[in-house]
Amino acid sequence: GQNIDQPTEMTATEGAIVQINCTYQTSGFNGLFWYQQHAGEAPTFLSYNVLDGLEEKGRFSSFLSRSKGYSYLLLKELQMKDSASYLCAVKDSNYQLIWGAGTKLIIKP
Amino acid sequence: IAGITQAPTSQILAAGRRMTLRCTQDMRHNAMYWYRQDLGLGLRLIHYSNTAGTTGKGEVPDGYSVSRANTDDFPLTLASAVPSQTSVYFCASSEGQANTGELFFGEGSRLTVL
Repeated sequence: GQNIDQPTEMTATEGAIVQINCTYQTSGFNGLFWYQQHAGEAPTFLSYNVLDGLEEKGRFSSFLSRSKGYSYLLLKELQMKDSASYLCAVKDSNYQLIWGAGTKLIIKP
Repeated sequence: IAGITQAPTSQILAAGRRMTLRCTQDMRHNAMYWYRQDLGLGLRLIHYSNTAGTTGKGEVPDGYSVSRANTDDFPLTLASAVPSQTSVYFCASSEGQANTGELFFGEGSRLTVL
C-alpha cells in the first residue's frame, strides 16, 4: 500500500530552527508537496520538490531524496505564527496525491 | 480575489437527510477536487473533476456524488447522510489536470451528522 509518515507533533522555541521529516512509500513518484494548515483554516501551499536537493524560499526550505523516499521541511527563525500543522503529500505514478496525516508544530515563547 | 468559496461553513444534519455542499471558484481552473479531513488521518480524496463535464472517483467516493456542469461550480451531494460522514470537507482546484500543480483550497465546510 501507499504510505506517508510524519511525526504527529513537534514543539520548538521561538527564534529557533525546526526540521519536520516525511518518509513515503508510493507507487511511483511525480513530486512532493508541503502545505501549511493553521487550526480551523484551509491548507496553503508552501513548496514543491520533484528533483533531489534543497529548495529554499525565505525562512522555509524543503529537501528531497528520491532514493531514500525522504523529505524534510526546515523552518528557520521560528515565529509564533508558524504554529500550525504541516502536511506532506506525494504525487504517485497516476498523479494522485497521497497525503500524510500532518505534523502539528507548537511554538513556545 | 475570492478564489474558492464553499457553503455552508458549518452544518448539523440529521442522519438520512440529503445535503449538498457548494463550491465555486473564480480562477478558471480546469481541475477541481473534494477532500474530507478527519482527525489523525491525511486528506482523503472523495471525487475529482479534470475539466467541466467530467468527474472521477477518488479514494472514498461511497455515499457521495458530484457534478461539473461548468468550470466554476463543483457541488458535492450526500444522498442520505450517515454519522460516519461527519467531517470537515475541503473543495480545491488546480490549473492543470490530474493533480499536476499546486492546489488552492476553500475554507472548508464542517459537517456534523447526528
